[in-house]
Amino acid sequence: DIQMTQSPSTLSASVGDRVTITCRASQSIGTWLAWYQQKPGKAPKVMISKASSLESGVPSRFSGSGSGTEFTLTVSSLQPDDFATYYCQQYNSFLWTFGQGTKVEIK
Amino acid sequence: EVQLVESGGGLVQPGGSLRLSCAASGFTVSSTYMSWVRQAPGKGLEWVSVIYSGGSTYYADSVKGRFTISRDNSQNTLYLQMNSLTTEDTALYYCARATFGYSSDWGQGTLVTVSS
Repeated sequence: DIQMTQSPSTLSASVGDRVTITCRASQSIGTWLAWYQQKPGKAPKVMISKASSLESGVPSRFSGSGSGTEFTLTVSSLQPDDFATYYCQQYNSFLWTFGQGTKVEIK
Repeated sequence: EVQLVESGGGLVQPGGSLRLSCAASGFTVSSTYMSWVRQAPGKGLEWVSVIYSGGSTYYADSVKGRFTISRDNSQNTLYLQMNSLTTEDTALYYCARATFGYSSDWGQGTLVTVSS
């Protein structure tokens, strides 16, 4: 199975900061990677698909990049609504897997 | 409008069984990929299973041989039959539409608690 490893596990940041989350795959997954945002008590929401495609309605301050085994999610200027937990997910193989999550906290 | 409504969760003893349902509206379950994802209390997301539009099914190693994903096209409903449950299966179970492999639409989840 493909393992997904996110870093950091927790990130403390302030409004306006540029933040970057990394997701590494245990083997190449091309660009078959999605990023989700989850807020407490809510279902996850897909933000980015195919590594870098912004989903409809997602603010342009979010961006994704990478291919193969290393991927990043960047928020160019963190807003109050962005404090949440973020997960990557690979869908390259028949068995999909999520990263363990990165919690973005208020500094 | 796409809507997914899960049901069937509850309290079950270890070794017991439960069947979860996910009623879909706004699209046809048989025409897309449908998946189950769970989240243990205070933990991250764990992919559980997927059924492709063609009917192929796949499972995470943690549930393979115990869980079965299926769908009823006439009811436009997705199911997850869960057998031989353990305390490790305690989680909020989400169903999701995954048209291109990633989950674009999610239900609100149904809670499964395995405890004696």
